Amino acid sequence: NAGVTQTPKFQVLKTGQSMTLQCAQDMNHNSMYWYRQDPGMGLRLIYYSASEGTTDKGEVPNGYNVSRLNKREFSLRLESAAPSQTSVYFCAMGQESSYEQYFGPGTRLTVT
Amino acid sequence: GQQLNQSPQSMFIQEGEDVSMNCTSSSIFNTWLWYKQDPGEGPVLLIALYKAGELTSNGRLTAQFGITRKDSFLNISASIPSDVGIYFCAGQLPNDYKLSFGAGTTVTVRA
Repeated sequence: NAGVTQTPKFQVLKTGQSMTLQCAQDMNHNSMYWYRQDPGMGLRLIYYSASEGTTDKGEVPNGYNVSRLNKREFSLRLESAAPSQTSVYFCAMGQESSYEQYFGPGTRLTVT
Repeated sequence: GQQLNQSPQSMFIQEGEDVSMNCTSSSIFNTWLWYKQDPGEGPVLLIALYKAGELTSNGRLTAQFGITRKDSFLNISASIPSDVGIYFCAGQLPNDYKLSFGAGTTVTVRA
């Protein structure tokens, strides 16, 4: 997972609480992504950012917001957490010339 | 995203065995990628394929980009205990830099 860092590694929230998941990359790639991983469902795209200053919805954006703060950082915010958002969240950076994506170590979120 | 059907869903293999898994879709893809995820970690890119018919190896791993561009295969030769994990395929559609992921194949090795 070299090149992509995520914080925190673990988080427990109560329903209705808010939090921001942080992601940073040091490879100077333009595109960044947020995925969630649930058992048996693979990786589902929440939001992505093709370049600094742009963001777009993915497959499952409801209940989330994102900010592409600069080229290095892409944060994911849960405004009012729900138990359905219990999941493992992965940030990834994309290599545009080859479509390869490189993932961070993940944030394990539990909403009670 | 596009539906990628990955099979088998899980497998138990004997150490030393060769194993295969595949990924199929009704859509044509320009790129196929294979990732491995160890428990508690993020997915790590194993092999990337860019041309129909391409066969690429990475150590004991070999992957192929199907001729129809609708499927891909991953083979692991001479399995060892550290091959345990979840293997994901991912495809990139034409004119789209986003990836679609399969649900994964969970590999467990019997020592």
